[in-house]
Amino acid sequence: GAGVSQSPSNKVTEKGKDVELRCDPISGHTALYWYRQRLGQGLEFLIYFQGNSAPDKSGLPSDRFSAERTGESVSTLTIQRTQQEDSAVYLCASSSRRGLGGELFFGEGSRLTVL
Amino acid sequence: AQSVTQLDSHVSVSEGTPVLLRCNYSSSYSPSLFWYVQHPNKGLQLLLKYTSAATLVKGINGFEAEFKKSETSFHLTKPSAHMSDAAEYFCVAPLLSSGTYKYIFGTGTRLKVLA
Repeated sequence: GAGVSQSPSNKVTEKGKDVELRCDPISGHTALYWYRQRLGQGLEFLIYFQGNSAPDKSGLPSDRFSAERTGESVSTLTIQRTQQEDSAVYLCASSSRRGLGGELFFGEGSRLTVL
Repeated sequence: AQSVTQLDSHVSVSEGTPVLLRCNYSSSYSPSLFWYVQHPNKGLQLLLKYTSAATLVKGINGFEAEFKKSETSFHLTKPSAHMSDAAEYFCVAPLLSSGTYKYIFGTGTRLKVLA
């Protein structure tokens, strides 16, 4: 696609429910990143995919968080049993470079509100 | 370990006056470094990138940054602020850790431009 697409753009859920956030990277981009941005704060790294492989999942805040990627395409971030502290904007970015130094192209984010 | 420190959380300047947003990094090697901008309710956009080809880097919208290894700094400047520059600015450094490529974001500097 023309840019990184994220859905939903806004999600309001009740505490304890599961949510799925989707990211469609730019076509051909092999690297995909998930970040979390709490209100008024910087970006917190969650996970990186090279293709469909995620070498290190230690950035995920807890075992309630998981992420998958299908090939070099769509990625899904799943949060189980949501808590109020999960409220944030979840940002996805993709890059055409395998290593570091390439530009990250960001989606506009999925704003999650947990009541 | 790589880290990024943005020294000011908020900066206010008058329109037409210079802008200085400060960033210091810590690393045992000369990294790539980036500045990203986030306008209200918009996605993150690359402003400029340093990759060791030149210490003075020019970016979009009249911004530039100078890499100073001796000071471990990568400050962002613009000679004359415009109202449209009001946004949040992030200094970003790459890190390879445990097979994972992370881009580490500073906590951000919110730039306010006064008429």
